[in-house]
Amino acid sequence: DAGVIQSPRHEVTEMGQEVTLRCKPISGHNSLFWYRQTMMRGLELLIYFNNNVPIDDSGMPEDRFSAKMPNASFSTLKIQPSEPRDSAVYFCASSQTGGEDTQYFGPGTRLTVL
Amino acid sequence: GENVEQHPSTLSVQEGDSAVIKCTYSDSASNYFPWYKQELGKGPQLIIDIRSNVGEKKDQRIAVTLNKTAKHFSLHITETQPEDSAVYFCAASKVSGGYNKLIFGAGTRLAVHP
Repeated sequence: DAGVIQSPRHEVTEMGQEVTLRCKPISGHNSLFWYRQTMMRGLELLIYFNNNVPIDDSGMPEDRFSAKMPNASFSTLKIQPSEPRDSAVYFCASSQTGGEDTQYFGPGTRLTVL
Repeated sequence: GENVEQHPSTLSVQEGDSAVIKCTYSDSASNYFPWYKQELGKGPQLIIDIRSNVGEKKDQRIAVTLNKTAKHFSLHITETQPEDSAVYFCAASKVSGGYNKLIFGAGTRLAVHP
């Protein structure tokens, strides 16, 4: 298996620009998670999709953040406009179901907003 | 909501020694406790997990113990090797809203010195 694929691996942008992060979950997994990792807040869940439907977006920090899953093999996390405090590593993870199945994490996207 | 505390934040051991990382959780309804290992530049990877109906689980050099009464669980690594050097995260979760939401500890940076 290729595992969870994320792109880009690194993104440097200027404040105010739009940023789009991409994720391809493991084939056959119906649950997808977006996490953010920072030194201050650790690993925190942003949004959870099940069968392409957003189930829990309570972790999305504010309206500048949005996520979509148009089909079972692709998801995006968009930040518009970006701010320096959005600098973090963003992980996508997938699992077979939303239950006690292993969550497989992608390699992450390191975002730097100048 | 659930809160997970993890100690120590850093741990340095000599190769061959044992390493122990401890976590406490606040929600007595939590019933699933995975441990993840994160190597530099990579996403977290599951190394072992335990469910609330089990007190101990072992996989080669790695073991996890759970004390539901005290609401704490621990990761034990025996005969440590340099390749065990990484950041380790504990997590606690329960099925809520139809899925398992993982709440992560802050992480422990383990350094194994040859």
